[in-house]
Amino acid sequence: KAGVTQTPRYLIKTRGQQVTLSCSPISGHRSVSWYQQTPGQGLQFLFEYFSETQRNKGNFPGRFSGRQFSNSRSEMNVSTLELGDSALYLCASSPRGELNTEAFFGQGTRLTVV
Amino acid sequence: AQSVTQLDSQVPVFEEAPVELRCNYSSSVSVYLFWYVQYPNQGLQLLLKYLSGSTLVKGINGFEAEFNKSQTSFHLRKPSVHISDTAEYFCAVSEDRGSTLGRLYFGRGTQLTVWP
Repeated sequence: KAGVTQTPRYLIKTRGQQVTLSCSPISGHRSVSWYQQTPGQGLQFLFEYFSETQRNKGNFPGRFSGRQFSNSRSEMNVSTLELGDSALYLCASSPRGELNTEAFFGQGTRLTVV
Repeated sequence: AQSVTQLDSQVPVFEEAPVELRCNYSSSVSVYLFWYVQYPNQGLQLLLKYLSGSTLVKGINGFEAEFNKSQTSFHLRKPSVHISDTAEYFCAVSEDRGSTLGRLYFGRGTQLTVWP
């Protein structure tokens, strides 16, 4: 069974641009969550989706948005990129709406903003 | 909100020695507890988790952890480490109910370095 797949693995963007990151959960999984990992702030929660509905959102500015499609795939978008958005973005999936008991993580997308 | 403290940011140890990585949390509600490992340029891999039942939890790669509710701790142990255990280890908690359902709260991580 394939794991959580995040694309692309690496990305370089310029300040002010926007970026879209993709996450394909494990087949059959319906919940997806996103985390930002930086050396300064550690792992911080961004969003949680279940059956195309955002159930939970972390404390990030409105430039960070996300969505989930009917096939459970998820995307997150960051507009007007800032240098501080450089981070590893991790996606996790869970079979049901139970990311609090079981979360499988992808390899992450390394975003560098220059 | 939950708070997770990993007391050591770096733990150096020699190969075949025992190791303990410490984790404390603060919460006013019942929690679930996790340890994840991250190798360079990789995502997070679940080592073990405590949901209920026995407070001693065994995980992959010979790791185990003990949940101590009175001390709000969930320390990770391994009796004999290998060089391949060199990685960053994250302790995480989640709530078993409430508006933050699904959200994991992570500690800042402990870098375990195993020397030959």
